Amino acid sequence: DGGITQSPKYLFRKEGQNVTLSCEQNLNHDAMYWYRQDPGQGLRLIYYSQIVNDFQKGDIAEGYSVSREKKESFPLTVTSAQKNPTAFYLCASSPTADGNTIYFGEGSWLTVV
Amino acid sequence: GQQVMQIPQYQHVQEGEDFTTYCNSSTTLSNIQWYKQRPGGHPVFLIQLVKSGEVKKQKRLTFQFGEAKKNSSLHITATQTTDVGTYFCARPNAGNNRKLIWGLGTSLAVNP
Repeated sequence: DGGITQSPKYLFRKEGQNVTLSCEQNLNHDAMYWYRQDPGQGLRLIYYSQIVNDFQKGDIAEGYSVSREKKESFPLTVTSAQKNPTAFYLCASSPTADGNTIYFGEGSWLTVV
Repeated sequence: GQQVMQIPQYQHVQEGEDFTTYCNSSTTLSNIQWYKQRPGGHPVFLIQLVKSGEVKKQKRLTFQFGEAKKNSSLHITATQTTDVGTYFCARPNAGNNRKLIWGLGTSLAVNP
């Protein structure tokens, strides 16, 4: 089955702990993205990657880190420096690096207690 | 700037009524994309409009791109409960086409 797989779907963590969200795609897409969505809100870009071994900060990168060691994988680490980490995290990809037509994974709900 | 304004923020309709959401920009758009997010789900790509004055239909959904390429609309005819969700428009960043700029979305509720 082709698509974007995010895991875990639900995650609970204690305050002060780092947590890594997995994102894997088998669509052979060059570009990958991480968005954050708070309840009733729009989408805010955290990080994006146009190609392997390269990534750029989005609008709200503080407190997050990413890596892009393989084309199909773009994990996101939510660090303890992120002040309000509880949110819905969406990974996405697009065929080329021009940002058109983005395909999303099913998302990961992170709750920090 | 490059923001896209979506109106209304919320819309509540009776099943069978029509629904329209609008996306407006102060600058000319190279294209506009529409996505739908069901409650608890993830955004799903619906359509991309590129040409001035373009109109595209998907069953009960009609998408329009303005003549000046600064606004777009999504119209749903005879809403059904399956139409419930949030509809987002998005535009490419004019300076850096590697990311999209998103509207805040219009949340549609449908009373059966």
